[in-house]
Amino acid sequence: SAVISQKPSRDICQRGTSLTIQCQVDSQVTMMFWYRQQPGQSLTLIATANQGSEATYESGFVIDKFPISRPNLTFSTLTVSNMSPEDSSIYLCSVNPRLAGGNEQFFGPGTRLTVL
Amino acid sequence: AQSVTQLDSQVPVFEEAPVELRCNYSSSVSVYLFWYVQYPNQGLQLLLKYLSGSTLVKGINGFEAEFNKSQTSFHLRKPSVHISDTAEYFCAVSEWDNDMRFGAGTRLTVKP
Repeated sequence: SAVISQKPSRDICQRGTSLTIQCQVDSQVTMMFWYRQQPGQSLTLIATANQGSEATYESGFVIDKFPISRPNLTFSTLTVSNMSPEDSSIYLCSVNPRLAGGNEQFFGPGTRLTVL
Repeated sequence: AQSVTQLDSQVPVFEEAPVELRCNYSSSVSVYLFWYVQYPNQGLQLLLKYLSGSTLVKGINGFEAEFNKSQTSFHLRKPSVHISDTAEYFCAVSEWDNDMRFGAGTRLTVKP
């Protein structure tokens, strides 16, 4: 398995500012993902952040709004830029450690963001 | 690409009653199937997964699910629920080497 921590756990931010969310994994993993969970909704994949390559963004998400860094195999950041109240969500990172015989993802506890 | 449909957005049941949460998927290739649970103000926890082999999969907390390829379903069941099972349940599908897609979620509310 993999143990994932995220910082901050929650934040309240002003419109127009940016917030960087950190994701730390206790083991080296190639595949890392960032999801958004809007209030009362399911998880929507923002991007896949594999170490050694540029992040791949899903339809509706762009690098200028959600820049991602993946400097090594245990760490990643997601920045939510020029925030608006519509960005209020829980942001989760997850990893796929490619366990033998499995393709499951392990999730961090999430970052609860409120934009005023 | 793969997709998931959870047929019930909310399922209220009484404590000690059986429950079934329905999930259907679509994919053109073989898939892996998962059920995750999200308790209030917490992250996602894996309940169980189907990779291959036996179509009946047992998970944590007394939950089980059955993979039905002909009906493209992966319904979650528990014979007797507890108050502590109140949570949001997500069905997810993943094709080999691809990312995971989640259903809209089913809110299970267990009443005393």
